[in-house]
Amino acid sequence: DAGVTQSPTHLIKTRGQQVTLRCSPKSGHDTVSWYQQALGQGPQFIFQYYEEEERQRGNFPDRFSGHQFPNYSSELNVNALLLGDSALYLCASSYPTLTDTQYFGPGTRLTVL
Amino acid sequence: KNEVEQSPQNLTAQEGEFITINCSYSVGISALHWLQQHPGGGIVSLFMLSSGKKKHGRLIATINIQEKHSSLHITASHPRDSAVYICAVLDHSGAGSYQLTFGKGTKLSVIP
Repeated sequence: DAGVTQSPTHLIKTRGQQVTLRCSPKSGHDTVSWYQQALGQGPQFIFQYYEEEERQRGNFPDRFSGHQFPNYSSELNVNALLLGDSALYLCASSYPTLTDTQYFGPGTRLTVL
Repeated sequence: KNEVEQSPQNLTAQEGEFITINCSYSVGISALHWLQQHPGGGIVSLFMLSSGKKKHGRLIATINIQEKHSSLHITASHPRDSAVYICAVLDHSGAGSYQLTFGKGTKLSVIP
C-alpha cells in the first residue's frame, strides 16, 4: 500500500513563471490538504480539497490554486511566482473528518530564482 | 485563528537524557498532533490525541485540554531521535471541515 506520493521532488523556476505540483493520496483517503513550509518555519495551511472541491482555504493569495481529480489525486498551481514562494510544499491526505491521522508526503522543494 | 507556541525552539541533549517539548495553543481544539520531521522534509505523524496521555515506545504525549497545553516526552534519548518536532492543532472550522495549525517546531539534537 503506497503512502502519499508527491512529484516532482525538486523544482527550480524563475520569477513570473507558473508551476504545478502533484499529489497522490494514500489508498482509501479522499481528502487532500496542501501546506507551504518556509525554511525554519512550521507548515502553513494553503487549502483542502474534498469531493473535487476546495473546501477550505488558508491565508494565501489567488495565485495559489488547486484541483482534485476523480481518483482523489490533487494538483497545486502557483502563478506569477515570487522569490518568497520558495519553500517546501507538503501534501497530506486523510479521511474527510480529519479525526484520523493525517499522512504527509515527502514534499516538493520549490526554488524560485 | 489558533496561535500555537512551542518551547524550546532548539534543544541539545546528551544521549540517554529525558526530553520534554512543550506546546500551548490559544483556542479550544478538536485534537492535537505531534509530528516528527527529519532533514529533507518528510513528516511522520507520531501521535494524535484529544485527551489524556498516549505512549509509543520511548515517546509519551500528554494533553491538558483545560490548560490548552501538551507535552511530548522522549525517554532514554538517542541520536536517531534528532529531528524537528512539530505540534499541530486541529480546529473545527465549520461546515464539516477542519484545519491544522502548526507550531514552528522544536529542533532536537541528541549528542552521543
